[in-house]
Amino acid sequence: DGGITQSPKYLFRKEGQNVTLSCEQNLNHDAMYWYRQDPGQGLRLIYYSQIVNDFQKGDIAEGYSVSREKKESFPLTVTSAQKNPTAFYLCASSPTTHEQFFGPGTRLTVL
Amino acid sequence: DQQVKQNSPSLSVQEGRISILNCDYTNSMFDYFLWYKKYPAEGPTFLISISSIKDKNEDGRFTVFLNKSAKHLSLHIVPSQPGDSAVYFCAASLPYGKLTFGQGTILTVHP
Repeated sequence: DGGITQSPKYLFRKEGQNVTLSCEQNLNHDAMYWYRQDPGQGLRLIYYSQIVNDFQKGDIAEGYSVSREKKESFPLTVTSAQKNPTAFYLCASSPTTHEQFFGPGTRLTVL
Repeated sequence: DQQVKQNSPSLSVQEGRISILNCDYTNSMFDYFLWYKKYPAEGPTFLISISSIKDKNEDGRFTVFLNKSAKHLSLHIVPSQPGDSAVYFCAASLPYGKLTFGQGTILTVHP
C-alpha cells in the first residue's frame, strides 16, 4: 500500500559524526520536503525538492544536505556542522502545490 | 519573524462541546491554508484546508473559517470527542507550495 516511510524511527549519533535519514515514498509525488520539529515549536522547513535532481534550501538549511537522485527517495544528511541536531525530523511529499503528506518521523538524539 | 501564529499553546474542552482553534498570519500572499493533527512521535495528518477565495469549508465535524481582512483562520470541531485530543497545527501556503507552520495548539478533550 502507498505511503511515506522514514527510517530509522530512533537514531543516536555521537557529536562530530554525520548521519543520514532515509525518506521513501511510493505515492508518485513530485515534491518532497524535510522539516524539523523542536519541543513547543512548529515544523520548520529544512530543504525541499519539487523535481528529481533539483532541490532548494528552506528556512534552516545550515548544517544539512540532501540529494534527489530518484523520484521516490529524498535522504537528509545531518552534518557535524549542525550545532543543535537533536530533534524530531519529518519528511513529507506532495502531489500538488498545497497538501503535503507526512511520514512517521525520525527522532535523532546526539549523545 | 513568525508569519503564522497560534497564540494559544493549549485548549481544554468537554466532550460534546465545540473546540475552536485559532491561527493568525501576516503574509497577505498566502493563498491556501491547511490544518494538521499530530500525535506524539508521529507525523502530522492532514485534516482540512481552505483556499483564500473561500471563507468557509466543512468536512464532517470539522469546519475551517477564513477571515482575510483580519488575516485570521479558525478550526471548529463539533462535537468534540476524546479521540480529537492531539496537537493541531495550522499552515499557510504560498502559490509555489512552500508551507509555513504555526507553533501548534494542544487540544485536550475531557470525557
